[in-house]
Amino acid sequence: DQQVKQNSPSLSVQEGRISILNCDYTNSMFDYFLWYKKYPAEGPTFLISISSIKDKNEDGRFTVFLNKSAKHLSLHIVPSQPGDSAVYFCASSFFGNEKLTFGTGTRLTIIP
Amino acid sequence: DTGVSQDPRHKITKRGQNVTFRCDPISEHNRLYWYRQTLGQGPEFLTYFQNEAQLEKSRLLSDRFSAERPKGSFSTLEIQRTEQGDSAMYLCASSFDNEKLFFGSGTQLSVL
Repeated sequence: DQQVKQNSPSLSVQEGRISILNCDYTNSMFDYFLWYKKYPAEGPTFLISISSIKDKNEDGRFTVFLNKSAKHLSLHIVPSQPGDSAVYFCASSFFGNEKLTFGTGTRLTIIP
Repeated sequence: DTGVSQDPRHKITKRGQNVTFRCDPISEHNRLYWYRQTLGQGPEFLTYFQNEAQLEKSRLLSDRFSAERPKGSFSTLEIQRTEQGDSAMYLCASSFDNEKLFFGSGTQLSVL
């Protein structure tokens, strides 16, 4: 039972344009959502998070949007840079950073 | 501080053998997590410790798996009588209380 879904295994975006990564979840009890970025041969690195009481959180080039009624979150990267090429995982939890449930990941490739 | 350290980086073993992995968390972090990632999937929660106490174990953690964190510092994850299905990347992460997780680079286990 995949409670967190990332339906796009891969995405290619031109450098300088906006990258939009999507994530859907099924458990309405999740109240904290995160995005992690992973380079090959490294562990995941925290990128940005949002709690269920908000619908938007911004950190520099990264913005996460949460639509609770649709059980959907998205990560926007503007402008996209070559160093953003990585696998992006969304994750959810019932309480903060405890026991995260991860999606299957989206491989983002930024084309120079 | 160099972050979360995992040893070994790679382990190849024969089915039926026992293996043990070590994780050294960031020194001031009181929480330590173990996750497992198989090909094409996101990390899956296995267990976590607060100091030396193991607070939660996933149903994924069969009785062949045991994790310890003596003295609340480093942790070991042992798998007894390994099976081919145990082949995966084993990720360790640490945090201070419920703050964001910092992941190590993982131990890649291959069971032949």
